Amino acid sequence: GENVEQHPSTLSVQEGDSAVIKCTYSDSASNYFPWYKQELGKGPQLIIDIRSNVGEKKDQRIAVTLNKTAKHFSLHITETQPEDSAVYFCAASIRGGSQGNLIFGKGTKLSVKP
Amino acid sequence: NAGVTQTPKFQVLKTGQSMTLQCAQDMNHNSMYWYRQDPGMGLRLIYYSASEGTTDKGEVPNGYNVSRLNKREFSLRLESAAPSQTSVYFCASSSHRGGELFFGEGSRLTVL
Repeated sequence: GENVEQHPSTLSVQEGDSAVIKCTYSDSASNYFPWYKQELGKGPQLIIDIRSNVGEKKDQRIAVTLNKTAKHFSLHITETQPEDSAVYFCAASIRGGSQGNLIFGKGTKLSVKP
Repeated sequence: NAGVTQTPKFQVLKTGQSMTLQCAQDMNHNSMYWYRQDPGMGLRLIYYSASEGTTDKGEVPNGYNVSRLNKREFSLRLESAAPSQTSVYFCASSSHRGGELFFGEGSRLTVL
């Protein structure tokens, strides 16, 4: 079946450093790649997304890059702050079928140390 | 604006008991979803409803049933709970299939 692999599973950085989370996907028809942030005790929340017709998208300190040829995409957080500490999930759209619309990676727990 | 509301937030069941998780959204969204989240497993889709009156199986539907009661409400039922169903359950909605997902705060279920 379709799959999204996410690495690393845990990431610890110092405040002010950059953090990078990488995902690969298997469905060549995937065309939508969102990233969700989940704070402790909360539901995931969309922070940024990218569609297959662009290679990079930025929103303040957050950027996502997409390489469709290699079937991988990455989340970049610059100038990290303690409030960036959370679990981050990447996802990829898949063609119809029993899995609905998105398949998620297993998550990355980011810890930003003051 | 409450967004997506799930009840209950916590529940403990014994093996074999039944229960229903309730979900309601006030954003006039067409699509609704139930996910389960287990440590190290990410979010896995149980069932979804692309629009009122339709439901479809997701990745892990066994042991669950759903009802799309109306456009606002989508419930998840466990007919005979098993310890393997111990998990955190999230309801989500989107304006359309493929749109941004808005999640509730989750329901933590323990089956003893």
